[in-house]
Amino acid sequence: NAGVMQNPRHLVRRRGQEARLRCSPMKGHSHVYWYRQLPEEGLKFMVYLQKENIIDESGMPKERFSAEFPKEGPSILRIQQVVRGDSAAYFCASSPPGRALGEQYFGPGTRLTVT
Amino acid sequence: QQQVKQSPQSLIVQKGGISIINCAYENTAFDYFPWYQQFPGKGPALLIAIRPDVSEKKEGRFTISFNKSAKQFSLHIMDSQPGDSATYFCAAGLGPSGSRLTFGEGTQLTVNP
Repeated sequence: NAGVMQNPRHLVRRRGQEARLRCSPMKGHSHVYWYRQLPEEGLKFMVYLQKENIIDESGMPKERFSAEFPKEGPSILRIQQVVRGDSAAYFCASSPPGRALGEQYFGPGTRLTVT
Repeated sequence: QQQVKQSPQSLIVQKGGISIINCAYENTAFDYFPWYQQFPGKGPALLIAIRPDVSEKKEGRFTISFNKSAKQFSLHIMDSQPGDSATYFCAAGLGPSGSRLTFGEGTQLTVNP
């Protein structure tokens, strides 16, 4: 059973460009979460999605950031007009429906560098 | 009220020793407390988790101790090994009724051979 998959693993963008980060949850998991990790810091929650629905986006910056989890295909975190401060590791996690136990399983992350 | 405070920031332990990492939380609504292990360049891996209806949970060399009244919980790594050298994060969640995890700032553990 494959784990959470993220691509690309590394992404370099120039200021002003768009960054698209993809996440495929574990098989059977219908809940996806995105977290951001700045260097030497803990993970900060960004958004929680279920298929075709954004459940909690309270951690998302108000501008330039958006996320989706379509009926088919991976979840996508989109950052428009990137700035240097967006450089970070972005992790996706997934959990099974029901979440009776609360576990979230993380992918390997996408390391975004803005030059 | 959503903060989770973790200490120490870094920890050096000799092989075979006990590593202890502490976390404190404020929001009494939290009802799920996982610990994650992260190696450089990798994603966090779920290590062990506890709910507040028990005071201790043990899995192999890893033990969580939970003190509900003090709003504190800790990770104990027995017989620490060099391969345990990693960054450890505590977290707190709201269980089925809410899904975000609030993470501590992390503890960088080094186990010397």
